[in-house]
Amino acid sequence: EVQLVESGGGLVQPGGSLKLSCAASGFTFSGSAIHWVRQASGKGLDWVGHITAKANNYATTYAGSVKGRFTISRDDSKNTAFLQMSSLKTEDTAVYYCVRQGGGDWGQGTLVTVSS
Amino acid sequence: QSVLTQPPSASGTPGQRVTIPCSGSSSNIGRNPVDWYQQLPGTAPRLLIYSHNQRPSGVPDRFSASKSGTSASLAISGLQSEDEADYYCAAWDDSLDGFWVFGGGTKLTVL
Repeated sequence: EVQLVESGGGLVQPGGSLKLSCAASGFTFSGSAIHWVRQASGKGLDWVGHITAKANNYATTYAGSVKGRFTISRDDSKNTAFLQMSSLKTEDTAVYYCVRQGGGDWGQGTLVTVSS
Repeated sequence: QSVLTQPPSASGTPGQRVTIPCSGSSSNIGRNPVDWYQQLPGTAPRLLIYSHNQRPSGVPDRFSASKSGTSASLAISGLQSEDEADYYCAAWDDSLDGFWVFGGGTKLTVL
């Protein structure tokens, strides 16, 4: 069974940093791109960015709203992807999901709240 | 505002057929497959349709999709109360470095 489990969410002040993790199991993690998608309360889905597999050189792309502030990385030896968030703004408050390439598998999400 | 455009709401009665439209552009729907997601309250989105009209295992054949040019639509036939949820269309957009775009979501109410 495919599982994606996010962790690391919490309350952070504006301007602060937070690192989310996405632990994967049940599939060949090293061969799959991983996306991060967020959803503010009562709002729609908002793509954050993604990292490709090693075969595609671990390339990363980001949404314009987070480019330069967020960094996606992965550790294939631990079947884990990461989302490093810095210079956080109140508008970054959302549930953050990691998603396996293809869109068929999502984690349960982790809540990030940016507030003073 | 979302890159893909969906109506904020739709409704139907049990047994009815409803459709949810999704409008995009030549850089997304016009050249890439469209996926559809269902999201129940408090849960992660669930993939309903991928590659235009393919259903993952476990998705009833009451759900189908179509695409024409830069628009797509999701059809739900034999509407059931459990279909009440938010529905999102999604597609890869080839502009700039490439990015995944979503519709704003359609809240489906079963009357």
